[in-house]
Amino acid sequence: GQSLEQPSEVTAVEGAIVQINCTYQTSGFYGLSWYQQHDGGAPTFLSYNALDGLEETGRFSSFLSRSDSYGYLLLQELQMKDSASYFCAVRLSGSARQLTFGSGTQLTVLP
Amino acid sequence: EAQVTQNPRYLITVTGKKLTVTCSQNMNHEYMSWYRQDPGLGLRQIYYSMNVEVTDKGDVPEGYKVSRKEKRNFPLILESPSPNQTSLYFCASSPGDRASYEQYFGPGTRLTVT
Repeated sequence: GQSLEQPSEVTAVEGAIVQINCTYQTSGFYGLSWYQQHDGGAPTFLSYNALDGLEETGRFSSFLSRSDSYGYLLLQELQMKDSASYFCAVRLSGSARQLTFGSGTQLTVLP
Repeated sequence: EAQVTQNPRYLITVTGKKLTVTCSQNMNHEYMSWYRQDPGLGLRQIYYSMNVEVTDKGDVPEGYKVSRKEKRNFPLILESPSPNQTSLYFCASSPGDRASYEQYFGPGTRLTVT
């Protein structure tokens, strides 16, 4: 089976940097995706890591360590609009066409 | 505009009354999928489809059916809805070369079964 763990809530202030961690336990693994979801809205794709290392897209970066079964999403220069839920999701080698999501991290950005 | 559309957006129904939630995408994507989202449980995949006439079960397929007769459409069918199917449902699509890891989601359908 597989499981994903991420913190349920994170709070930070505007302008700060925040890191949202995701650990996974799977029997096979292709890569780790990150999605953002504002209250009641559609999830939107942020990033995907198939290889170890850091991927940077503007203020957002995502990191993967396959040996540690661990990844994180780094949000820099936080803005109020970044308040949302963030989900990590794994693509499993046994079922490469499926995406399994974590339960999400609610990020609150304070002024 | 490239998008995934779902209808209806909101639906209240009674136990046992068959219903269909439609999903359509205009991006010519091969891959389509249905998820349900419940508080504290994240997104759980119900069914997915790699292409026309090719569908497969996700993690929570019980009580649901799907069909993929055309590339753009992927309806979700609840033959006999029950209260435990009250949830927020999302349809998603993805290009074949990025199947599953980069998905484009519809606006969601909030279903209540009484």
